[in-house]
This record gives sequence, C-alpha cells and structure tokens, in this order.
Amino acid sequence: NAGVTQTPKFQVLKTGQSMTLQCAQDMNHNSMYWYRQDPGMGLRLIYYSASEGTTDKGEVPNGYNVSRLNKREFSLRLESAAPSQTSVYFCASMVREGWTEAFFGQGTRLTVV
Amino acid sequence: GIQVEQSPPDLILQEGANSTLRCNFSDSVNNLQWFHQNPWGQLINLFYIPSGTKQNGRLSATTVATERYSLLYISSSQTTDSGVYFCAVVESGGYQKVTFGTGTKLQVIP
Repeated sequence: NAGVTQTPKFQVLKTGQSMTLQCAQDMNHNSMYWYRQDPGMGLRLIYYSASEGTTDKGEVPNGYNVSRLNKREFSLRLESAAPSQTSVYFCASMVREGWTEAFFGQGTRLTVV
Repeated sequence: GIQVEQSPPDLILQEGANSTLRCNFSDSVNNLQWFHQNPWGQLINLFYIPSGTKQNGRLSATTVATERYSLLYISSSQTTDSGVYFCAVVESGGYQKVTFGTGTKLQVIP
C-alpha cells in the first residue's frame, strides 16, 4: 500500500518550458488536491478534484491546469513555466469531498530558471 | 477568511525535554489536522482531531473547538522530532477552504 505517489521528486525547467506533475493514490479516495509550498507561507491550494470527472480552482490556480484522469490519478500541468512557479508541490487525497483526514505525497521540488 | 496562528514560530529543545505547540484559529472549524514536515520535506500525518484528545506514543493532541485552539504535546523529545509542525483547519460551512498555519519550526539537539 503506497498511499499517495508523486513523480518526479525533483525537476529543473527553463522559463517557458512545459511539464506535468503526476499524482496517484491507491486508497480509493474520491477527493484529490494539489498544493504548493513556498518558504514561510505554509501550503496554498492550487486545484482540487472532489470526485472523478470534476475539478475546481483553489487559491492560486493561475498558470496551472489539471486533469483527473480516473479515480486514482490527478495530474498538474504547467504550460509555460515561470520563475514564480519555483516551489515544492504536494498532492493530497481524502476519502470524500471536503477536508477529512488528508494524506500527502512526498512532494515535487520544482525549480524554474 | 479564517486566521490560523501557530506558536511559538521557532523552538529549540534539548533531547528529552517536553514541549507544547499551540494552534489558534479565529473562527469555527469543522476539521483540524496536525502534520510534521521532516527535514526531507515529507508531510506526515500526526492527528486528525476536530475535537477532543488523542494520543499516539510520545505525542498527544487536544482540540477545544469552542475556544478555538488546539495543542500538540511532545514528550521526551528526540532528534527525529525535528522539523516543522503545521496545523490545518477547515472553516465551518466552507469545507473546500483549508487554511494552513505557518508552522512551528522545532529543533531538538542532543
């Protein structure tokens, strides 16, 4: 039972490049979330998916897109990376919509140069 | 929106000492969870505790929702307890909006 798995763990991009962060959970949870963590700012919600087939914006969605591919997988895409998107990205899953007990992936450390 | 304040912001302990971390929130909450972020950046669930008291080994937590605070107790601290401790809350009636505190950075020295 792996829980929540994120790939890659580290990535360096040049400004303007695109990439997709992958997240998969094996706990049969309905809700999945993407957060970013910047120094001294805690975690901020980018997008979430309350259930398969639905996605909604969070606090800081600009510059990102998401896809809920199936119940297990929720990906985050940067179409044209900017230095302001340098951050650590976390995926989380929960049993149902709304915050119940959250389980986080290991994080992806992204640097945009 | 709801304000979540954690104190102290920084804490240095000698190994074996006890400590109490506090999380205050400015409005009614449905849910509250404590996390430990280890030095490698991994977020580890500690307690899901919207109210009441829970214990897990050397750690315990208490949430008094009516008074809008939660406490995390660490007893007999170990160097592996080092890292940042976050509380996260969900406002009543706004279940999609989760607010994290800015954390307490703990360093346990041998």
